[in-house]
Amino acid sequence: AQSVTQPDIHITVSEGASLELRCNYSYGATPYLFWYVQSPGQGLQLLLKYFSGDTLVQGIKGFEAEFKRSQSSFNLRKPSVHWSDAAEYFCAVGPMNRDDKIIFGKGTRLHILP
Amino acid sequence: DTAVSQTPKYLVTQMGNDKSIKCEQNLGHDTMYWYKQDSKKFLKIMFSYNNKELIINETVPNRFSPKSPDKAHLNLHINSLELGDSAVYFCASSPGLETQYFGPGTRLLVL
Repeated sequence: AQSVTQPDIHITVSEGASLELRCNYSYGATPYLFWYVQSPGQGLQLLLKYFSGDTLVQGIKGFEAEFKRSQSSFNLRKPSVHWSDAAEYFCAVGPMNRDDKIIFGKGTRLHILP
Repeated sequence: DTAVSQTPKYLVTQMGNDKSIKCEQNLGHDTMYWYKQDSKKFLKIMFSYNNKELIINETVPNRFSPKSPDKAHLNLHINSLELGDSAVYFCASSPGLETQYFGPGTRLLVL
């Protein structure tokens, strides 16, 4: 069955520290992969996506993610977090065709310490 | 020039009532979606429409009925509201099998 696992429900980092949010997926083939961010009281915004090609993808707000096929992972990274990065982060997979659906992970809440 | 808009932003109502949430996108996308986000932030797709045609219909109670009058609009009507329907409902649109653009959400509270 298709699934997305974000093993960390909450992560706390200090402002200026580096960040890595984990995402593992289970899918029949190499899926489309996404990271979305949700600020409090807001809708979701796309940070970055992977469809094919270079396995290191750059996104907005200084984020990047690396697709590792052997580990079925798509971890999100940022070298130095800012207080404004505090939000909920969702990893997602799919869809691969019109009848398919995108599947979201349960999210990781990022807290930033001053 | 909001891309995906939803109305209302907040909806507080009594059990048993019928309510509608409206969604409009001005991006020219062919595909629109409704998602439900529960209190634990879990986001799950409810419906998707492609050019007014229903494509995905997850196991949603038939009290929920989407309607797409044209490809820029996807409304959600909910009959006989129950306490468990309290959630945030997001509309989204996409040009194809890729980036989805989300609306700001409608926070529904059923008392």
